[in-house]
Amino acid sequence: DTGVSQNPRHKITKRGQNVTFRCDPISEHNRLYWYRQTLGQGPEFLTYFQNEAQLEKSRLLSDRFSAERPKGSFSTLEIQRTEQGDSAMYLCASSVGQGGNQPQHFGDGTRLSIL
Amino acid sequence: AQSVAQPEDQVNVAEGNPLTVKCTYSVSGNPYLFWYVQYPNRGLQFLLKYITGDNLVKGSYGFEAEFNKSQTSFHLKKPSALVSDSALYFCAVRLNAGNMLTFGGGTRLMVKP
Repeated sequence: DTGVSQNPRHKITKRGQNVTFRCDPISEHNRLYWYRQTLGQGPEFLTYFQNEAQLEKSRLLSDRFSAERPKGSFSTLEIQRTEQGDSAMYLCASSVGQGGNQPQHFGDGTRLSIL
Repeated sequence: AQSVAQPEDQVNVAEGNPLTVKCTYSVSGNPYLFWYVQYPNRGLQFLLKYITGDNLVKGSYGFEAEFNKSQTSFHLKKPSALVSDSALYFCAVRLNAGNMLTFGGGTRLMVKP
């Protein structure tokens, strides 16, 4: 059973560029989550998918952010017109089941640096 | 709204001594509580959870946590600390009907030989 895989691990880009991150959850995990973590802080929830349906979005997810999970497998998070404040670690997590009692398993994240 | 507080930015303990990392929460409803550990440049690893039942829950690597409803606390403990336990620890809460985890700000644990 492989863990949650995130690519790339690091992304450096210039302000104003678009970036896309990919997350491959643990196989058969129907729930997928995106979080953002800035230095010295705990992760903050961005959005949640159950299978292919995006069911929850945080107010942190501005209109420059979009996430998809086609066919309920891998997910992508795109940030358009990146800003300095977007520099952070973007974490993906997955879990299994219908209730909220199963733990979320995290990938190692994609660290985004905006020049 | 739900929130989590980890009142200590850093906890220092000598190897072999017991350790406690504190966590208090605020949520309207029945909380699901979790502890995670994070090593440098890595994601979060699940340690343990409280859903219902016994207030003392046991988890990975010898860690345990005690749920105290009256004090709204969920402190992480270990009887004998190891140098390899040095890492960043996060407490998280999830409302039973919700999906998102709300994390505390983290506590850095430093175990000295």
